[in-house]
Amino acid sequence: GAVVSQHPSRVICKSGTSVKIECRSLDFQATTMFWYRQFPKQSLMLMATSNEGSKATYEQGVEKDKFLINHASLTLSTLTVTSAHPEDSSFYICSAPLVGASYNSPLHFGNGTRLTVT
Amino acid sequence: AQTVTQSQPEMSVQEAETVTLSCTYDTSESDYYLFWYKQPPSRQMILVIRQEAYKQQNATENRFSVNFQKAAKSFSLKISDSQLGDAAMYFCAYRSGVDSSYKLIFGSGTRLLVRP
Repeated sequence: GAVVSQHPSRVICKSGTSVKIECRSLDFQATTMFWYRQFPKQSLMLMATSNEGSKATYEQGVEKDKFLINHASLTLSTLTVTSAHPEDSSFYICSAPLVGASYNSPLHFGNGTRLTVT
Repeated sequence: AQTVTQSQPEMSVQEAETVTLSCTYDTSESDYYLFWYKQPPSRQMILVIRQEAYKQQNATENRFSVNFQKAAKSFSLKISDSQLGDAAMYFCAYRSGVDSSYKLIFGSGTRLLVRP
């Protein structure tokens, strides 16, 4: 149980275009979704937290206008990389806790999206 | 702000041997939770083990155990009887028990190589 489906797994786009990444919780409701970015051979850096029914919370240094996050329903959160540039190329991973989970509960991760901007 | 440090970018272990991955963290909070995640080449994040800060007993999950030293703010992972399938990136992570967000703060990771 507790599966997060993330699509697409890989995407290549041209510089200046926008790309949307979707994360769906398949068998649970996710009121919160965390969006992480992972550079090659590096850690997962939290970009933002989306909350169903309210505005996303962005971490310091993350451009809100470039990384648009929407939490449209209890099972869907999206990250749109607008006007993508080569430096936005990275691995993006979403994750969600179960609603009402205890603090020692794990996050449930999507399989990630490899974004390449040419 | 809380930080998590993994000082070993890469470790190597012989199959069937034991290896310990280091993790230290910095926090002023007394209530928090610590996790080890494994990321194999598939990039899927897999929970290995977790520890509540209020528990003195070290967590154990089959071949995986931790050495939690709260005063030293250290949370190392010991893998016994290493297997080829243990080869992966290992991330130590911190979660505040005060912040209601449930977010995880990750260390920089340790790449574990398993020699056959």
